[in-house]
Amino acid sequence: SAVISQKPSRDICQRGTSLTIQCQVDSQVTMMFWYRQQPGQSLTLIATANQGSEATYESGFVIDKFPISRPNLTFSTLTVSNMSPEDSSIYLCSVEDINEQYFGPGTRLTVT
Amino acid sequence: GENVEQHPSTLSVQEGDSAVIKCTYSDSASNYFPWYKQELGKRPQLIIDIRSNVGEKKDQRIAVTLNKTAKHFSLHITETQPEDSAVYFCAENEGAQKLVFGQGTRLTINP
Repeated sequence: SAVISQKPSRDICQRGTSLTIQCQVDSQVTMMFWYRQQPGQSLTLIATANQGSEATYESGFVIDKFPISRPNLTFSTLTVSNMSPEDSSIYLCSVEDINEQYFGPGTRLTVT
Repeated sequence: GENVEQHPSTLSVQEGDSAVIKCTYSDSASNYFPWYKQELGKRPQLIIDIRSNVGEKKDQRIAVTLNKTAKHFSLHITETQPEDSAVYFCAENEGAQKLVFGQGTRLTINP
């Protein structure tokens, strides 16, 4: 399966600031996704990162809050903008590889 | 939106016994049902999946069954071991490869 890395692995940020999370894959993949996992909760899809076009957002998530870039088939970024304590969560990227979905190690974000 | 109900939320079994986790879904068009295992502080790991053209799939001590008529699927772990302790998530494919996840089951294996 594809090898997925994320940066940073964790961060503590002040409210009102923004953080950009990077996701790198060791092979070209068509589908990349961004999920949020709040403490003790399940995974919720934020958006599908589309290469060369705007991301497709799920209900409850908007581009102004979570802008996403996908400049090529191996890389994507998610920005969490104007953060509040409610944004404290783990953010995970995932990729589809041979019809199965695999996750990156996640970025643990704490907003103070 | 689509919904996946997962039960139980917590499960405690004696080492060596079997564990069963069940999920129900609502979209009859769903055709892909993976199971993920997440250990504390780690990423979710795909452990087994099943597609709608089969009713059962087995991989060593892990098996998944699918009942498309009843819209439910189950994870079965036999001869449980302490390293099976984790949170397990079921999911279903909502189309366009998007996954909708169940709420998770915290499985504890007691030695």
